[in-house]
Amino acid sequence: GDSVTQMEGPVTLSEEAFLTINCTYTATGYPSLFWYVQYPGEGLQLLLKATKADDKGSNKGFEATYRKETTSFHLEKGSVQVSDSAVYFCALSDPGFGDYKLSFGAGTTVTVRA
Amino acid sequence: DAGITQSPRHKVTETGTPVTLRCHQTENHRYMYWYRQDPGHGLRLIHYSYGVKDTDKGEVSDGYSVSRSKTEDFLLTLESATSSQTSVYFCAISEASGSGETQYFGPGTRLLVL
Repeated sequence: GDSVTQMEGPVTLSEEAFLTINCTYTATGYPSLFWYVQYPGEGLQLLLKATKADDKGSNKGFEATYRKETTSFHLEKGSVQVSDSAVYFCALSDPGFGDYKLSFGAGTTVTVRA
Repeated sequence: DAGITQSPRHKVTETGTPVTLRCHQTENHRYMYWYRQDPGHGLRLIHYSYGVKDTDKGEVSDGYSVSRSKTEDFLLTLESATSSQTSVYFCAISEASGSGETQYFGPGTRLLVL
């Protein structure tokens, strides 16, 4: 079945550092890919998405490119801030099933120090 | 904001008691989902609904049942709560746009089973 594997954390960075969180997937069809973010004590918020190969999703300085050849959707940000401290989840949805269910990675906890 | 509320937001209960969590949406979305979040597992799908009285199981449905008698409400019932069901429960809806379907999440319910 469909699955997502993402980089284990926790990840600790200094402010203005470069952030990469690796995400790879396994899917039988042509999935849509998502990054969600969970700030402390809150629910999940959509950060960005991509629905086809070579699409780049971007939001709040974060970017991720849908790479079909490497089945990856790595999240990057060039200069992190303390406010980016959160748990990040990679997820996929296979629209071929028609139910839009999400399969999630385990999550990566990111802490940014001032 | 996809207009999703969950109640209660926090609950403490005892092993063996039934518990019902409520998800309410205001925007007439057809698809609704219940996930649980546990450390190291990301979010896992419990049940989902694709319309009034139309529901199906997810990957971790044992010990849970759901009902959807109105479009706006999706109830999750723990028939006889166990300590392994201590978790954070998230409801989600799926919203269609030009770039496909995207899930949006409620604020979560934190459940402790003693």
